[in-house]
Amino acid sequence: DAGVTQSPTHLIKTRGQQVTLRCSPKSGHDTVSWYQQALGQGPQFIFQYYEEEERQRGNFPDRFSGHQFPNYSSELNVNALLLGDSALYLCASSFSGGGGADTQYFGPGTRLTVL
Amino acid sequence: AQKVTQAQTEISVVEKEDVTLDCVYETRDTTYYLFWYKQPPSGELVFLIRRNSFDEQNEISGRYSWNFQKSTSSFNFTITASQVVDSAVYFCALSEEVRRALTFGSGTRLQVQP
Repeated sequence: DAGVTQSPTHLIKTRGQQVTLRCSPKSGHDTVSWYQQALGQGPQFIFQYYEEEERQRGNFPDRFSGHQFPNYSSELNVNALLLGDSALYLCASSFSGGGGADTQYFGPGTRLTVL
Repeated sequence: AQKVTQAQTEISVVEKEDVTLDCVYETRDTTYYLFWYKQPPSGELVFLIRRNSFDEQNEISGRYSWNFQKSTSSFNFTITASQVVDSAVYFCALSEEVRRALTFGSGTRLQVQP
């Protein structure tokens, strides 16, 4: 049973560029959440997708956008990259059928470096 | 607003020592969920445990045990007889009934020396 997968593993971009990160959830999961983890800090919630819609959003600017596909996979897009966007981007999947908070399982992350 | 505090930035122990990682949380909700995750050098967050606010029973899983005390808003994690493979950053996290996003603490880096 495959866990959460993310691509690419590493990415290097320059300021002002745009980037797309991809995530495939664990089998049986229908919800995808994205987190940003700066070096030496805990992950910060970006947004969560369920039924192809953004269900919750953290304190991130509109430059951060996402999408969820019918097969539950998801993309995170970041426009007009800033140096401060350099971080590990983590995708987590969960199953929303049980009510209450769902246990989130994380992928290996995408390391984004902005030069 | 919800908040998680892990006051211990880094802990270093020698193999076979017991070690406790502290976690203090803040929330206004009466229903909430607490988690511990392990992040080895590879970067992937590994789920360890989930606890519901209405279940204060402590839990033991092998060398791992968790002490949940609502009276002090703490959810501490103890590793008994630590091993080198336990070396990682450990995160405590909180989510609420309505807001399903995880709020993480800043993490505790555990180094187990052989």
